[in-house]
Amino acid sequence: SQELEQSPQSLIVQEGKNLTINCTSSKTLYGLYWYKQKYGEGLIFLMMLQKGGEEKSHEKITAKLDEKKQQSSLHITASQPSHAGIYLCGAVPRMDSSYKLIFGSGTRLLVRP
Amino acid sequence: NAGVTQTPKFQVLKTGQSMTLQCAQDMNHNSMYWYRQDPGMGLRLIYYSASEGTTDKGEVPNGYNVSRLNKREFSLRLESAAPSQTSVYFCASRLTSYEQYFGPGTRLTVT
Repeated sequence: SQELEQSPQSLIVQEGKNLTINCTSSKTLYGLYWYKQKYGEGLIFLMMLQKGGEEKSHEKITAKLDEKKQQSSLHITASQPSHAGIYLCGAVPRMDSSYKLIFGSGTRLLVRP
Repeated sequence: NAGVTQTPKFQVLKTGQSMTLQCAQDMNHNSMYWYRQDPGMGLRLIYYSASEGTTDKGEVPNGYNVSRLNKREFSLRLESAAPSQTSVYFCASRLTSYEQYFGPGTRLTVT
């Protein structure tokens, strides 16, 4: 079965610093999602990548999917306390109509003012 | 639009008790999903429903049953709760685009 590994598991950065979170799959990805979860709340959709080499940005967050479609990175520029939370990558492991997602274990981000 | 709503938000059960977690979406989505989230394990799919009238097992279906009552509602039932089912449960829905919209979650504790 396909697995997603996220790194690092947790991250503490000073406000204003840049950071990167990685998501690596054991098999080819057919769709890669990034979600943010505030502590004790539901998941907020950030962006979705499908094509190898694809890059998307939303405000100060940029996500990329590598050419081989087995790894994605999430980069936050000039981090702010509002970026704190748990970042989860989810993947569509194969092309079927159900779009059942598998998820990584998450990266906990804390941004110190 | 309320999006995806879940009830209750919190629940404490004793081992062996039963309960139903409710989920509803007002976005006219075809597919709905139930996940559980445990510390250090991300989210795991319990059951999903590709469309009204159909349901199928996910990764961890044992101990659960589901009902897709209509296009809006997808419920998750625990017939005989066990401590291993202590978790946070999330419902999600999807139309034809890839994005899955998630509800706020139900925190369940089984003692």
